[in-house]
Amino acid sequence: DAGVTQSPTHLIKTRGQQVTLRCSPKSGHDTVSWYQQALGQGPQFIFQYYEEEERQRGNFPDRFSGHQFPNYSSELNVNALLLGDSALYLCASSLDRRIEGYTFGSGTRLTVV
Amino acid sequence: GEDVEQSLFLSVREGDSSVINCTYTDSSSTYLYWYKQEPGAGLQLLTYIFSNMDMKQDQRLTVLLNKKDKHLSLRIADTQTGDSAIYFCAERDNAGNMLTFGGGTRLMVKP
Repeated sequence: DAGVTQSPTHLIKTRGQQVTLRCSPKSGHDTVSWYQQALGQGPQFIFQYYEEEERQRGNFPDRFSGHQFPNYSSELNVNALLLGDSALYLCASSLDRRIEGYTFGSGTRLTVV
Repeated sequence: GEDVEQSLFLSVREGDSSVINCTYTDSSSTYLYWYKQEPGAGLQLLTYIFSNMDMKQDQRLTVLLNKKDKHLSLRIADTQTGDSAIYFCAERDNAGNMLTFGGGTRLMVKP
């Protein structure tokens, strides 16, 4: 049973460019959350998607947007990249609000130069 | 606002017990979690505790919760070199959608 799959694993972009990260949730999960983990810090909540809609959003600018598809997979888009956007982006899936919490993917390492 | 704090670093000898501490500020948190992160990997859920519990034990792991002081701890018995990793505590918001993580505690286990 595959867990959460994220692609690509690593990515290098230039300031001002746009990037799209992808996530396939664990089989049976319908909810996808995205977190940003800067080097040496804990993950920070970006937003959560459920039933193809953004259900909750953290303290991130509108440059960060997302989408959830009917098969529950999700994309995270970041526009006008800044150096400070360099981080590990983690996708987490769950079955709605189950208490067992989330299953995390291994992340996409984004470097902005 | 919500804030979760952890000490940065802990070093123990193999076979000893490790205790990782965490403080949180959101008294309305319903569930509190401990995650483990190894180099180059995502987060692995270790255990969680409901806010109306004081203690939860799961094999080598013991979680203690002091709700009055908003203090959470994770005790790892008989710590092994494979336990070396970064440990994050996290609180879940009332709506159940979002986790707020601490900055992580790096555990180093010496042979």
